[in-house]
Amino acid sequence: KAGVTQTPRYLIKTRGQQVTLSCSPISGHRSVSWYQQTPGQGLQFLFEYFSETQRNKGNFPGRFSGRQFSNSRSEMNVSTLELGDSALYLCASSPGQGSEQYFGPGTRLTVT
Amino acid sequence: DQQVKQNSPSLSVQEGRISILNCDYTNSMFDYFLWYKKYPAEGPTFLISISSIKDKNEDGRFTVFLNKSAKHLSLHIVPSQPGDSAVYFCAASARGWGSQGNLIFGKGTKLSVKP
Repeated sequence: KAGVTQTPRYLIKTRGQQVTLSCSPISGHRSVSWYQQTPGQGLQFLFEYFSETQRNKGNFPGRFSGRQFSNSRSEMNVSTLELGDSALYLCASSPGQGSEQYFGPGTRLTVT
Repeated sequence: DQQVKQNSPSLSVQEGRISILNCDYTNSMFDYFLWYKKYPAEGPTFLISISSIKDKNEDGRFTVFLNKSAKHLSLHIVPSQPGDSAVYFCAASARGWGSQGNLIFGKGTKLSVKP
């Protein structure tokens, strides 16, 4: 079974731009969660989607948004990028019934 | 305020010996706990989990112990191998409260297993 895939793996953007990251979950998994990892804050939950609906949301500003498609693939968008948005963005999928989450390799975003 | 704490940033162990990684939590609504291992430039890899209705779960060389009264859990690796060298994250969720998709992570403990 293929694992969670994320594209692109690396991205460099300029402050003020916007970015869209993509995540394809493990086949059959209906829940997709997004996390931000930074050296100072560690892994922080952004949001979770289940069956195309946002089920949970972390404590991030409205510039961070996401969506999920009918095939469970998910995208997250960050608008008006700030230098502090530089981080590793991780996507995780699970069958959705309170079981463990499986992570993708992440997208390394650098904002200059 | 950190709800999940891993107070040891690093741990060094000799190959063949036991590695014990510790984790404390503050939120009594947490009812599901997980351990992940992470290598550089990769996403976290799921290792083992435990529900709050249990106090121990074992999978091969990995055992997780949960002490609910102390709000403490630990991961034991026996015997430790050099390939176990990685950063280990403790995570928790409140499944019974509708937050199963939201994992709260500790800051991690870097384990080094020396040959």
